[in-house]
Amino acid sequence: AQSVTQPDIHITVSEGASLELRCNYSYGATPYLFWYVQSPGQGLQLLLKYFSGDTLVQGIKGFEAEFKRSQSSFNLRKPSVHWSDAAEYFCAVGAPSGSARQLTFGSGTQLTVLP
Amino acid sequence: ETGVTQSPTHLIKTRGQQVTLRCSSQSGHNTVSWYQQALGQGPQFIFQYYREEENGRGNFPPRFSGLQFPNYSSELNVNALELDDSALYLCASSFSGPGEKLFFGSGTQLSVL
Repeated sequence: AQSVTQPDIHITVSEGASLELRCNYSYGATPYLFWYVQSPGQGLQLLLKYFSGDTLVQGIKGFEAEFKRSQSSFNLRKPSVHWSDAAEYFCAVGAPSGSARQLTFGSGTQLTVLP
Repeated sequence: ETGVTQSPTHLIKTRGQQVTLRCSSQSGHNTVSWYQQALGQGPQFIFQYYREEENGRGNFPPRFSGLQFPNYSSELNVNALELDDSALYLCASSFSGPGEKLFFGSGTQLSVL
């Protein structure tokens, strides 16, 4: 069974600082990997996805993520955080042989941005 | 704005009651998935519908059921509500195919008292 671990429940950074959110997954082969962001009272917005090819993926809002097969990781990064980035971030994994719609999510990382 | 709308936005029920949640998919999408998000947790996959047939289900009991209509709108029905059913219920629509992306609605917040 596939699973996702986000080790950091809560991260606080200052505006303008760099950011890295960690994600580790468990899956028997190369999965589809996603990062979503959720603002309070809102649904999930897709930041970026990895299906195959280049292991460094660019997303919206200046985010990027790197797939590292050897470490079963898909960490999310941003070089300079903006106050509007404060939200909850979810990493998710999907099975490429089945349906990309059946996603397994991590428990999320809450990001606080200090002025 | 994803084009996926859910109703109602909030709902309060009592234990043992039944509830129906509704989702209108984004235009052109033929697949809908439902997720349950408990407080402080990530979303959990309930089931998905493709062309009006259920074609995938997570670890949820049969009292969670659904429908997808010819216009690709969808319903989630929960019978015999339990306190633990209190959660945000998210609907996601997509167009079936390689590399498809899910587009999520804002959810229905269900409180069971």
